[in-house]
Amino acid sequence: NAGVTQTPKFRILKIGQSMTLQCTQDMNHNYMYWYRQDPGMGLKLIYYSVGAGITDKGEVPNGYNVSRSTTEDFPLRLELAAPSQTSVYFCASIPKGTREQYFGPGTRLTVT
Amino acid sequence: ELKVEQNPLFLSMQEGKNYTIYCNYSTTSDRLYWYRQDPGKSLESLFVLLSNGAVKQEGRLMASLDTKARLSTLHITAAVHDLSATYFCAVDSTASKLTFGTGTRLQVTL
Repeated sequence: NAGVTQTPKFRILKIGQSMTLQCTQDMNHNYMYWYRQDPGMGLKLIYYSVGAGITDKGEVPNGYNVSRSTTEDFPLRLELAAPSQTSVYFCASIPKGTREQYFGPGTRLTVT
Repeated sequence: ELKVEQNPLFLSMQEGKNYTIYCNYSTTSDRLYWYRQDPGKSLESLFVLLSNGAVKQEGRLMASLDTKARLSTLHITAAVHDLSATYFCAVDSTASKLTFGTGTRLQVTL
């Protein structure tokens, strides 16, 4: 996973609760991404960041927020969790000098 | 909007047989990736294809890219059970964002 860590590994939320999914890399990567993977589907981009202080929306940003106050951390915030946000969430980053993304281990989230 | 289609979605094949997975995409891109995902796991990078006519091989897997046809293939030669997994293609766009296909679930039976 090229040093991309995600916490927690699993989480169950009740409808309307909020939480933050953590993603950290300690290799000074500029580019970081959040994807979600629904059962039997490919990954879809939620948000991405090309450097500290810079974030932008991906394909499916509704219901999520991100921040990038440091190069190392790229947290994903869910406000007012909904069952449609039940998914596996993957964070990825790109080592300098390449364009290839390396993925973290994922966070499996269930909203009931 | 970039769209990426894979087929087949599910492939059951016997050990020792050959087969090809297809990945079509809708707009120009200069980079295509193939990933493998085992159940409950993250994605493992298999191949990066950078230019028209690129071909890469690793063991029983071979990937190719035709940018003019917007088509990539992943060919499996003499399949073995260990290749059972889900395979995704993904196409690169601005800021290295990836658009993924829906995946091909490969099941290799004895």
